[in-house]
Amino acid sequence: AQTVTQSQPEMSVQEAETVTLSCTYDTSESDYYLFWYKQPPSRQMILVIRQEAYKQQNATENRFSVNFQKAAKSFSLKISDSQLGDAAMYFCAYRIQGAQKLVFGQGTRLTINP
Amino acid sequence: DVKVTQSSRYLVKRTGEKVFLECVQDMDHENMFWYRQDPGLGLRLIYFSYDVKMKEKGDIPEGYSVSREKKERFSLILESASTNQTSMYLCASSSGPPEQGYTFGSGTRLTVV
Repeated sequence: AQTVTQSQPEMSVQEAETVTLSCTYDTSESDYYLFWYKQPPSRQMILVIRQEAYKQQNATENRFSVNFQKAAKSFSLKISDSQLGDAAMYFCAYRIQGAQKLVFGQGTRLTINP
Repeated sequence: DVKVTQSSRYLVKRTGEKVFLECVQDMDHENMFWYRQDPGLGLRLIYFSYDVKMKEKGDIPEGYSVSREKKERFSLILESASTNQTSMYLCASSSGPPEQGYTFGSGTRLTVV
């Protein structure tokens, strides 16, 4: 079974500092996609960043970057220069090639301290 | 601005009632999904649909059914609501390419009393 594990239910960071959210996944597939979603208090899920498993280069989107370790099945999210607007639930998700279903982790609640 | 719209933000229903949660997307997406979100469990897939009148069970379909009569609308039905179905329900749609994620609605928080 495909599973996604986020081992940190809650994290907090000082404004302007850097924080890393962890995610591991279990799969026997070789071709898949990984995502980080943000869910602010408004509840609207927003795609933060995506990574194709066949790409060795880690994806980056402005202050957001990932550390993708395929052999270790690890996909962590780094947020640099944290801002108050980054406070949200963050979900890691996985989708295999040819499938429509996204498998989500349990989520990490990120708090930004001013 | 393209979007997925869920008809109710908050809903309170009584045990045993038949409940309809409605979701409409304006992006002409083939695929639509219903997830349930619970603290500590993340999002779990209830049902999805890849075409009109087509549906497939997700990971937790028990107690739920779905209807997709038109491409833009995907309904989740609780045949006889129970208190353990109190949860946040999220609808999403996607266009198909796996590198694309989903577009989500804002969720319906359902309380069954």
